[in-house]
Amino acid sequence: EVQLLESGGGWVQPGGSLRLSCAASGFTFSSYAMSWVRQAPGKGLEWVSAISGSGANTYYTDSVKGRFSISRDNSKNTLYLQMSSLRAEDTAIFYCAKMAGGFRSGPYSFDYWGLGTLVTVSS
Amino acid sequence: QSALTQPASVSGSPGQSITISCTGTSSDVGGYNSVSWYQQHPGRAPKLMISDVSNRPSGVSNRFSGSKSDNTASLTISGLQAEDEADYYCSSYTSTNTRVFGTGTKVTVL
Repeated sequence: EVQLLESGGGWVQPGGSLRLSCAASGFTFSSYAMSWVRQAPGKGLEWVSAISGSGANTYYTDSVKGRFSISRDNSKNTLYLQMSSLRAEDTAIFYCAKMAGGFRSGPYSFDYWGLGTLVTVSS
Repeated sequence: QSALTQPASVSGSPGQSITISCTGTSSDVGGYNSVSWYQQHPGRAPKLMISDVSNRPSGVSNRFSGSKSDNTASLTISGLQAEDEADYYCSSYTSTNTRVFGTGTKVTVL
């Protein structure tokens, strides 16, 4: 059974940093691209970042480029999101999502999701 | 990258069919057979309902179906049931190697 468990969320002041983790199990972690998707309170889903199975290729939405960094440790089956220069508008539940295939090839879907971790950026 | 456009709300009576549209551009929806659909109940994580325009994952009811024409994709729910009441989001791969979600549609079962 595929399981994704996020951790690392919490409250941080504007300009601060936070590192999210996602522990994966139930599948061959290194064979699949992984993504982070966020959802601001009462709002819709927003794709944030993705990383290829090997970790060689990373992708970001424009609003987080230069501030967020995605990485993975395939020996620990863990995905990370290092977030810095955080802004109030980054406040959201952050979901870790497994991609059904590669990021740039099909199947193109996010087939499994974690329960999410809440990040609150406020003074 | 702008969000894909979905109607804010769609409603129907039990047993009826409803269709949710997802409109993008030739750089996303129209350019790739990559549209997927997700169901999200309040306080829960999203769940994949349709992959790659029209593929239904194992375990998803065959009352859910997907299609695409030009820059618009659609999700149809037939035989509407109370448990289908939720938010629905489409998503697409884009020409700039990113992913984009739709604005979301709240489905209400009357």
